[in-house]
Amino acid sequence: DSGVTQTPKHLITATGQRVTLRCSPRSGDLSVYWYQQSLDQGLQFLIQYYNGEERAKGNILERFSAQQFPDLHSELNLSSLELGDSALYFCASSVDPNGNQPQHFGDGTRLSIL
Amino acid sequence: SQKIEQNSEALNIQEGKTATLTCNYTNYSPAYLQWYRQDPGRGPVFLLLIRENEKEKRKERLKVTFDTTLKQSLFHITASQPADSATYLCALEGTSYDKVIFGPGTSLSVIP
Repeated sequence: DSGVTQTPKHLITATGQRVTLRCSPRSGDLSVYWYQQSLDQGLQFLIQYYNGEERAKGNILERFSAQQFPDLHSELNLSSLELGDSALYFCASSVDPNGNQPQHFGDGTRLSIL
Repeated sequence: SQKIEQNSEALNIQEGKTATLTCNYTNYSPAYLQWYRQDPGRGPVFLLLIRENEKEKRKERLKVTFDTTLKQSLFHITASQPADSATYLCALEGTSYDKVIFGPGTSLSVIP
């Protein structure tokens, strides 16, 4: 058990809809990362937060947004959903935002767009 | 642009042998490199981290090397077991505030 909790585990919705994915980091971790994993793209970095502030941005679409709250949990909002957004979305956390710390991953939210 | 390549084909080895997985990168000078294991439907699990000034790191049956001249890391699993069957990912991070880049992963199957 990594200590990172993601909800929901599965989400099925239709094109054009909006969803919110939630992540609770491991106790004591201040940094949260979001990743998208699809079969043909591998694990793609979306965005990183540290102690409530955006720290780094990857190839995150404008239709996607995220935030980290004062209690350090994070939410990833996906809007105007398209079929290609179907993927596994992972959250990870680490003690600090730098690369010298391991990341602890949740088991992901599987998003299916019909 | 920054690019990471891992063994393009799945790796099948006999139980008890040493598995060697490769991670090559281009257009990048990472300060750290990490290896993760991922089982189907699960999140990646951290295994080892190696710094640019370290040549080799070991943990139980695992060994990682990091050659910044060749821009390559090798990941070895000695005395492999069927339970080692999984996908292994390498990940590179910059020295500060750079985004994290994961490789595509190598699928390893250890045959009894």
